[in-house]
Amino acid sequence: AQTVTQSQPEMSVQEAETVTLSCTYDTSESDYYLFWYKQPPSRQMILVIRQEAYKQQNATENRFSVNFQKAAKSFSLKISDSQLGDAAMYFCAYDDYGGSQGNLIFGKGTKLSVKP
Amino acid sequence: KAGVTQTPRYLIKTRGQQVTLSCSPISGHRSVSWYQQTPGQGLQFLFEYFSETQRNKGNFPGRFSGRQFSNSRSEMNVSTLELGDSALYLCASSSEGANYGYTFGSGTRLTVV
Repeated sequence: AQTVTQSQPEMSVQEAETVTLSCTYDTSESDYYLFWYKQPPSRQMILVIRQEAYKQQNATENRFSVNFQKAAKSFSLKISDSQLGDAAMYFCAYDDYGGSQGNLIFGKGTKLSVKP
Repeated sequence: KAGVTQTPRYLIKTRGQQVTLSCSPISGHRSVSWYQQTPGQGLQFLFEYFSETQRNKGNFPGRFSGRQFSNSRSEMNVSTLELGDSALYLCASSSEGANYGYTFGSGTRLTVV
């Protein structure tokens, strides 16, 4: 069974600095999607960034970028120029697209605090 | 474009009762999936519906059920509520193709007393 591990329960970053959140996963599939979601206190899960496994190029979305290492099964999220609004729970999620439909497998999450 | 709408936002129920939660997906999305979020277990997959058919189910007891209507709106039902069913229930709708991904609603916070 696929698993997703986030080894950092909590992280802290100074405003305007850079922070990296770690995620590793385990799968025997070759084609899949990986996601980072942000969940602020408002509860809504917000998609931060998406990576397709067959694409070697790392995904970027403005201040957010990933370091996708397929062989190592690692998918870390880098947040540059951190802002107070980035404070939230961050979840890494795996989806084997077309295999287990709709079944996103989530890590336990990393709580990110941003200090002014 | 309207997002995923979940109703109600909050519910308080008594043990033994049943509850129905509703989810309206983004227009054009045919897949709706449900998740339970608790502090102890994290986010766990409940089930997924596509064009009114359940395609996938997580490891939950039969007290948890769902359905999807022809307009893609989905409901989930929990019968004989237990204290441990207290959780945030999230639904997500997904698109296929180039914009593949999941969009979540704000969730329903269920408290069982």
